[in-house]
Amino acid sequence: DIQMTQSPSSVSASVGDRVTITCRASQDIHIYVAWYQQKPGKAPNLLIYTTSSLKGGVPSRFSGSRSGTNFSLTISSLQPEDYATYYCQQTDSFPLTFGGGTKVEI
Amino acid sequence: EVQLVESGGGLVQPGGSLRLSCAASGFALSNHWMHWVRQVPEKGLVWVSRINTDGSSTSYADSVRGRYTISRDNAKNTLYLQMNSLSAEDTAVYYCARDGGFCSATSCRREGYYSDYWGQGTLVTVSP
Repeated sequence: DIQMTQSPSSVSASVGDRVTITCRASQDIHIYVAWYQQKPGKAPNLLIYTTSSLKGGVPSRFSGSRSGTNFSLTISSLQPEDYATYYCQQTDSFPLTFGGGTKVEI
Repeated sequence: EVQLVESGGGLVQPGGSLRLSCAASGFALSNHWMHWVRQVPEKGLVWVSRINTDGSSTSYADSVRGRYTISRDNAKNTLYLQMNSLSAEDTAVYYCARDGGFCSATSCRREGYYSDYWGQGTLVTVSP
């Protein structure tokens, strides 16, 4: 199975800060990474697919990038509604696997 | 508006069975692969299973293979997950999710197997 190592597990940040979350895949997954946001008691919400494609309606302050098997989600200017847990997922092959999550908190 | 509504969760004894349903609306289920994903409360997401558009092809996580069966009824716009031989380790919130690819009658267009819409989840608790 492909392992997705996500870091950090938590990050404290203030409104307006730039926040970057990273996932490292254990093997080549090409561009097939998705990022999800999850708020307490709610279902995950897709933000980005295929490394950098934004789902419709997702604010442009969210962006994704890739360097080899390292993938990043960046929030350019953190907003109050962005406090949540973020997960990466490799969407290249089955079984699909998620990173461990990053909690973005104040 | 795309909506996915899970049902069928609840309390079940170890060794018991449960069938989850996921009612889809706002789109044609027959055009999309579907997934089940679970999450132990306060823990991470774990992919469980997927099914192709006509139900002829399925995949499972090792932890559930042989005990769970995913199926679908496109005429009823409903996805199912039959869960047998349940144990405490199966306790989780179960989400159904729509695959972001689109399949016509002859081919599928996809960019990976991401999930673009999720249901609200249904809690399964396995306990004596």
